[in-house]
Amino acid sequence: EAQVTQNPRYLITVTGKKLTVTCSQNMNHEYMSWYRQDPGLGLRQIYYSMNVEVTDKGDVPEGYKVSRKEKRNFPLILESPSPNQTSLYFCASRLGGTDTQYFGPGTRLTVL
Amino acid sequence: QKEVEQDPGPLSVPEGAIVSLNCTYSNSAFQYFMWYRQYSRKGPELLMYTYSSGNKEDGRFTAQVDKSSKYISLFIRDSQPSDSATYLCAMSGMFSGGYNKLIFGAGTRLAVHP
Repeated sequence: EAQVTQNPRYLITVTGKKLTVTCSQNMNHEYMSWYRQDPGLGLRQIYYSMNVEVTDKGDVPEGYKVSRKEKRNFPLILESPSPNQTSLYFCASRLGGTDTQYFGPGTRLTVL
Repeated sequence: QKEVEQDPGPLSVPEGAIVSLNCTYSNSAFQYFMWYRQYSRKGPELLMYTYSSGNKEDGRFTAQVDKSSKYISLFIRDSQPSDSATYLCAMSGMFSGGYNKLIFGAGTRLAVHP
């Protein structure tokens, strides 16, 4: 089944404790993105990647890091999480030259 | 001013009603227009996709784009309780670096009650 998977689905952590949210897609898509979704603000792009080893900042990159060492994986790293990073996070992928994004199921992160 | 404006609702309608959802935008570079549907505790999924101005129909759903007014709409006919979800408009255009960036509206929460 074609899908985007994210882990963990739910995470409660404390300020300053490094964490990684994994994302994997099995559709051989070139483009992958991370979004955060907050009430009233909609989906805002954090980082995106156009292919392996090619990443760039989205609209809200502060406090986040990403890497793209393999085509299928695009982990999101929070080196020192803060409470303002409490949010619902979505990973998405799409084929190059198309606009149809396929989203993962989301990761709800709470930073205390 | 946000690039894409969408009324967050919530919008509550009786079953069978016609629903109209709308977005306005400010950037004339947008060329592709989409509607995503997001059920509670799920990721968004693509519902409708249109290019430039005009109408597109798919079953009970009709997407309309008016580029001259920078206004897009989604109509749902004969709405069903299973249509209860958040609807996000999205649009894209070629921006710097050759990347076709997707911009989302805030989403409108719709509830269809029996």
